[in-house]
Amino acid sequence: GENVEQHPSTLSVQEGDSAVIKCTYSDSASNYFPWYKQELGKRPQLIIDIRSNVGEKKDQRIAVTLNKTAKHFSLHITETQPEDSAVYFCAASIHNQGGKLIFGQGTELSVKP
Amino acid sequence: GAVVSQHPSWVICKSGTSVKIECRSLDFQATTMFWYRQFPKQSLMLMATSNEGSKATYEQGVEKDKFLINHASLTLSTLTVTSAHPEDSSFYICSARGFVTGKSSGIHNEQFFGPGTRLTVL
Repeated sequence: GENVEQHPSTLSVQEGDSAVIKCTYSDSASNYFPWYKQELGKRPQLIIDIRSNVGEKKDQRIAVTLNKTAKHFSLHITETQPEDSAVYFCAASIHNQGGKLIFGQGTELSVKP
Repeated sequence: GAVVSQHPSWVICKSGTSVKIECRSLDFQATTMFWYRQFPKQSLMLMATSNEGSKATYEQGVEKDKFLINHASLTLSTLTVTSAHPEDSSFYICSARGFVTGKSSGIHNEQFFGPGTRLTVL
């Protein structure tokens, strides 16, 4: 089955710097890659997603890139702010296999003022 | 739109008892619902996938007789933890996937998460 690896497990940056989180997946049939932000005790919140027919997607300070050949995708956050501090999860799913999400291990991002 | 609720938000029970958790899609029809378990400082682990009117599909290592899932309607799925033990204490989160009113193309992949249920077994 699908396996998603996420790095780093923790990331500390200064306010205003950029943060990059990377994920790799194993199943080449995966075609949907969402990123979630989760605050302590809360539900995961979708922040951006990308489908396999697109190489890059951007939404204000957040961008995601996908390399299908290498089976990896990355989250880029620019001009980080303290409120960006949270745990971020990547995930992968295969639409025609029910769309179940397989999550990465998570990255705890800390943005220091 | 696309709101998912869970009830209860937290529950404390004695070892050996059963606990039922409800997951509801409030403003859309959920053709598929998913149940996840999350231990402290860990990722979300998929437990099972349920489709309305059919049996749930459990992930490897998840005991189907212990974690009973019922998806009786397009807006409700329930997870019952039977004979709960302290090691079952966790954060249980559901998600729902389906067609959201107003979006003509439907939401084929996006899942909408419930707020989670914190289960503590004493």
